[in-house]
Amino acid sequence: GNSVTQMEGPVTLSEEAFLTINCTYTATGYPSLFWYVQYPGEGLQLLLKATKADDKGSNKGFEATYRKETTSFHLEKGSVQVSDSAVYFCALSGQGAQKLVFGQGTRLTINP
Amino acid sequence: NAGVTQTPKFRILKIGQSMTLQCTQDMNHNYMYWYRQDPGMGLKLIYYSVGAGITDKGEVPNGYNVSRSTTEDFPLRLELAAPSQTSVYFCASSYSAGATGQFFGPGTRLTVL
Repeated sequence: GNSVTQMEGPVTLSEEAFLTINCTYTATGYPSLFWYVQYPGEGLQLLLKATKADDKGSNKGFEATYRKETTSFHLEKGSVQVSDSAVYFCALSGQGAQKLVFGQGTRLTINP
Repeated sequence: NAGVTQTPKFRILKIGQSMTLQCTQDMNHNYMYWYRQDPGMGLKLIYYSVGAGITDKGEVPNGYNVSRSTTEDFPLRLELAAPSQTSVYFCASSYSAGATGQFFGPGTRLTVL
């Protein structure tokens, strides 16, 4: 079945550092890929998405590129801020599927 | 436009009690979902619905029931609460399956003692 594997956390960085959170997936066909962010005490918010190979999703300085050849959707940001501290979830929706499959989440802490 | 709203925000139950978690969305979305999130873990799908009158089980449906009588509402019922149901519960909705992504409510934190 479909599955998502995320980089193990927690991840701690200093402000203005470069961020990469790895995400790889297993799925048949052409899934849609998502990154969600969960700030403390809140629900998940859709951060960005990509629906076909080589698409790049971007939002709030974050980017991720749908790489079918490596089955990856790594999240990147060039210069993180303290306000980016949150838990980040990679997810996929299989082709024609009604449900999302989530990774286990990566907790990110940014120190000033 | 409130999006997805959930009530209550917090609840403490005794073992064996029952309760209903409420979820309402005002985006006219066909698809609605219930997840639970245990500490330090990802989300597990409990039940979902693809439209009024249609529901289906997710990964962890045991101990829960749902109904969908309207497009807007998707309540989750816990019968005979157990400590294993201590979790944070999230409701979500989406316009369609697949590529649109889901909108999440703020969650209900439930403790069963």
